[in-house]
Amino acid sequence: DIQMTQSPSSVSASVGDRVTITCRASQDINSWLAWYQQKPGKAPNLLIYVASSLQSGVPSRFSGSGSGTDFTLTISSLQPEDFATYYCQQANSFPVTFGQGTKLEIK
Amino acid sequence: EVQLVESGGGLIQPGGSLRLSCAASGFTVNSNYMSWVRQAPGKGLEWVSVIYSGGETYYADSVKGRFTISRDNSKNTLYLQMNSLRAEDTAVYFCARDAPWGGQLVGKEYWGQGTLVTVSS
Repeated sequence: DIQMTQSPSSVSASVGDRVTITCRASQDINSWLAWYQQKPGKAPNLLIYVASSLQSGVPSRFSGSGSGTDFTLTISSLQPEDFATYYCQQANSFPVTFGQGTKLEIK
Repeated sequence: EVQLVESGGGLIQPGGSLRLSCAASGFTVNSNYMSWVRQAPGKGLEWVSVIYSGGETYYADSVKGRFTISRDNSKNTLYLQMNSLRAEDTAVYFCARDAPWGGQLVGKEYWGQGTLVTVSS
């Protein structure tokens, strides 16, 4: 199975900050990576697919990059509604696997 | 508007069975790729199973042989039959519609609200 490792596990930031979350795959997954945002008690929401494609309706302050084994999710200017937990997911092969999550908290 | 509504969760004893349902509207289940993903209390996301539009199915090793994904075209509903349930199956179960792209399933673009399954004596 492909292991997905996110860092950091948690991060504190302020409104207006630029934040980057990283995700590393245990083997090459090309660009088959998705990012999700999840708020407490809610279902995840797809933000990015194929590493850097922005899902329809997602604000442009979210961006993704990377290929192979190393990927990043960047939020260019944090808004109050962005405080949530973020997950990466590899879509290269079964079983589909997720990172352990990164909790973005208000400083 | 695409909507997914799960039901069927509840409290079940270890070794028991439960069938989850995911009623879809705004699209046709049998023409799409549909998944189940679960989340144990306070934990991360875990993929459970997927059914392709052509009927092919895949499972996580943790549920293989115990869970079965299926769909009813007449009811436009996705199912997850769960047998031989264990305490570690306790989780919120989400159904989701996968987005295909170039022959690959690249992300889960629509999700239901989830249904809680608690396995305990």
